[in-house]
Amino acid sequence: EVQLVESGGGLVQPGRSLRLSCTASGFTFGDYALSWFRQGPGKGLEWVGVIRSKRHAGTTEYAASVKGRFTISGDDSKGIAYLQMNSLQTEDTAVYYCGRGFCSGGGCHLPDAFDIWGPGTKVTVSS
Amino acid sequence: QSALTQPRSVSGSPGQSVTISCTGTSSDVGVYNYVSWYQQHPGKAPKLMIYDVSKRPSGVPDRFSGSKSGNTASLTISGLQAEDEADYYCCSYAGTYTFYVFGTGTKVTVL
Repeated sequence: EVQLVESGGGLVQPGRSLRLSCTASGFTFGDYALSWFRQGPGKGLEWVGVIRSKRHAGTTEYAASVKGRFTISGDDSKGIAYLQMNSLQTEDTAVYYCGRGFCSGGGCHLPDAFDIWGPGTKVTVSS
Repeated sequence: QSALTQPRSVSGSPGQSVTISCTGTSSDVGVYNYVSWYQQHPGKAPKLMIYDVSKRPSGVPDRFSGSKSGNTASLTISGLQAEDEADYYCCSYAGTYTFYVFGTGTKVTVL
């Protein structure tokens, strides 16, 4: 079964760091881009960042709201993507999801959409 | 980059049709055909319903259809069913600075 599962969420104090993991199964991890998203309490979805497929050198892009604080990396051998979150702020409190990138044309530089999502992991930033 | 604008809520009786609008700008919806729609039930992960404006992934009922005109994309649910009651979000690619922007979300209620 094709699936993604996030882990690593929890309660963290402002200014501290946390690393989330997104474990893939049922497909070849390196063949796809992988994005992170978040959804604050009672709020809508927000794109956080993306790591491109191996074909596109696994390069990364980030939303302006997290650029310089968050870093996405991937371990193809383990099929895991990571979201390293530093200098966390209370406004980073959210459920964090990972999503597999989908390209209708094949081999696209950035996904058209996101077809497989994990169930999410909750991050609470509070003192 | 501001979120795309969606109505807060729409409702309809079983069997009816509802349409959700998603208004962006000439920097996102208006210029790229990479609009997707996601269904989210409470406490659950989003599910892809439409991609590339109007294409349906395998397994999504053909009651769901998408379209776009200018800076506004739309999702139509025909033959509304109880299980369609959920939040719906549009998403558009927005270029190489913003990358992806989501809509504000619409709650669909089946009366």
